[in-house]
Amino acid sequence: GAVVSQHPSWVICKSGTSVKIECRSLDFQATTMFWYRQFPKQSLMLMATSNEGSKATYEQGVEKDKFLINHASLTLSTLTVTSAHPEDSSFYICSARDRGSPYEQYFGPGTRLTVT
Amino acid sequence: GENVEQHPSTLSVQEGDSAVIKCTYSDSASNYFPWYKQELGKRPQLIIDIRSNVGEKKDQRIAVTLNKTAKHFSLHITETQPEDSAVYFCAASIFNKFYFGSGTKLNVKP
Repeated sequence: GAVVSQHPSWVICKSGTSVKIECRSLDFQATTMFWYRQFPKQSLMLMATSNEGSKATYEQGVEKDKFLINHASLTLSTLTVTSAHPEDSSFYICSARDRGSPYEQYFGPGTRLTVT
Repeated sequence: GENVEQHPSTLSVQEGDSAVIKCTYSDSASNYFPWYKQELGKRPQLIIDIRSNVGEKKDQRIAVTLNKTAKHFSLHITETQPEDSAVYFCAASIFNKFYFGSGTKLNVKP
């Protein structure tokens, strides 16, 4: 149980275009989902917290207009990187919290974004 | 947000030896401390966790200790094996958000 999927697993896009990443909880309802980015050989940096049916809350320094997050249902959150630039290239990982679990988060497999 | 520091950044041990990774956190409101193992290009895998009302937890070769007063927690791996080689991250959770340490690359030499 507690499986989280992400799609796509990798994507290459050109500068100036937008790309959408999906995060799904497959066998549980996720009231809260989280988005992280990870640069090579670095840690996971929390970008934003996404609650179903409400606006996402962003960590300090994360541009909300650039990283659009939508949590339309209890099983799906999306991250859209708008007007992507090469510096947005990174590994993006989502996680989800089961409404029945007060502590643990379940991580998706990640999406490798390369902006050329 | 919470600030988590992790040491060392790299750790090389001989197979069979023990490995210890230490983390400190800044916000006393943090109440949950998971440890993750991450292999290159893969998702983090939870290996052990501890809640703030517990001082120590053990699962086979892995143990975690928590000192709330000093705001630090540690991961202990005994009888290390080559397959333990990976990057390990500690995290502190506050208001259900996770803040990660910078990671420790563990290399277990056969």
